[in-house]
Amino acid sequence: AQSVAQPEDQVNVAEGNPLTVKCTYSVSGNPYLFWYVQYPNRGLQFLLKYITGDNLVKGSYGFEAEFNKSQTSFHLKKPSALVSDSALYFCAVRDATSGTYKYIFGTGTRLKVLA
Amino acid sequence: SQTIHQWPATLVQPVGSPLSLECTVEGTSNPNLYWYRQAAGRGLQLLFYSVGIGQISSEVPQNLSASRPQDRQFILSSKKLLLSDSGFYLCAWIPSGELFFGEGSRLTVL
Repeated sequence: AQSVAQPEDQVNVAEGNPLTVKCTYSVSGNPYLFWYVQYPNRGLQFLLKYITGDNLVKGSYGFEAEFNKSQTSFHLKKPSALVSDSALYFCAVRDATSGTYKYIFGTGTRLKVLA
Repeated sequence: SQTIHQWPATLVQPVGSPLSLECTVEGTSNPNLYWYRQAAGRGLQLLFYSVGIGQISSEVPQNLSASRPQDRQFILSSKKLLLSDSGFYLCAWIPSGELFFGEGSRLTVL
């Protein structure tokens, strides 16, 4: 079965500092991995994805994520945080080799960027 | 253009009343469609997904059902709402490679 773990409920970071939001996954086959962001009372917005190829994926708003197969991780990063990055972040996985179209999400990590 | 519409945006319903949330998409034929529920502003629970008309996969036994009467229409229903059905319901689809979400429907059951 597919699963995603986001071990931190909340991450606090000062504006201008680098940020990392952690994600680990479990699938039986090869993973497709995604990051989404949610602002209050809104739907989720797509940030970036890993399908295959380069382990470092660049996405929207200066975010990037690094796929690490040996650690089954896909951590979200940004070199310099902005106050406007404060939001709820979700990691998601789809098992690419099982034929399923299920996308499973983590429980979310609330990012607070302090001015 | 590829768009997803979800309504109503907010709904307050008494316990025991019926529910119908509708989601429609434009721009792609035979899309995969999904219903998720988000409780207490946190994790997303996959409720149903559909890979074609009349094809519904249910992920969690519950008080809800889904239907896909047309290629680009996905409906979430209940015959009798429970208090525990309260939450933020999100429809999603895959127009081109990843999930895109609607703006959500907030349901409060009193």
